[in-house]
Amino acid sequence: GENVEQHPSTLSVQEGDSAVIKCTYSDSASNYFPWYKQELGKGPQLIIDIRSNVGEKKDQRIAVTLNKTAKHFSLHITETQPEDSAVYFCAASRSGGGNKLTFGTGTQLKVEL
Amino acid sequence: DVKVTQSSRYLVKRTGEKVFLECVQDMDHENMFWYRQDPGLGLRLIYFSYDVKMKEKGDIPEGYSVSREKKERFSLILESASTNQTSMYLCASSPLRGAKGSYEQYFGPGTRLTVT
Repeated sequence: GENVEQHPSTLSVQEGDSAVIKCTYSDSASNYFPWYKQELGKGPQLIIDIRSNVGEKKDQRIAVTLNKTAKHFSLHITETQPEDSAVYFCAASRSGGGNKLTFGTGTQLKVEL
Repeated sequence: DVKVTQSSRYLVKRTGEKVFLECVQDMDHENMFWYRQDPGLGLRLIYFSYDVKMKEKGDIPEGYSVSREKKERFSLILESASTNQTSMYLCASSPLRGAKGSYEQYFGPGTRLTVT
């Protein structure tokens, strides 16, 4: 089955700096890669996703890049703000697999003032 | 807005008890999922269902069962709770295929289960 590795497990940045979280996946048939943000006391929420036919996708201060050859994808957050502090999860899926996602182990991001 | 609700935020049960965790979604989604979340292990899929009365095992189904008698409701059952099932349990739902090919899963707030 699919295996998703995520690094780092914790990340501390100063407000205004950029943050990068990296994930690798094992199943070359995976073609959908979402990122979820989990705030304290809440369930995860989708913040951005990318499909394998696209190399990069941006949405305001967040972007995701995908390298299919190397089987890794990354989340980039620019101009970080305190409200970006949360746990971030990457995931991978084969489309048509019942929407079944395999999640990474999570990254605790702390944005310090 | 999609709403996924879980029956309890916190639950304390004794070893050997039968435990029911309930999840309800209000968006007519076909797919529903149960995950457990543990520090350092991320979210691990226990079971999922893509239709009423249909279910498939996820990555860690041992010690759990599920029931989906109605489209909006998906129940997770711990037949005989054990201390190693102490965890955060998250329910999610998703449409068969969303807008622009999205497979977004919508999560409930979670149930923190403690088994003593």
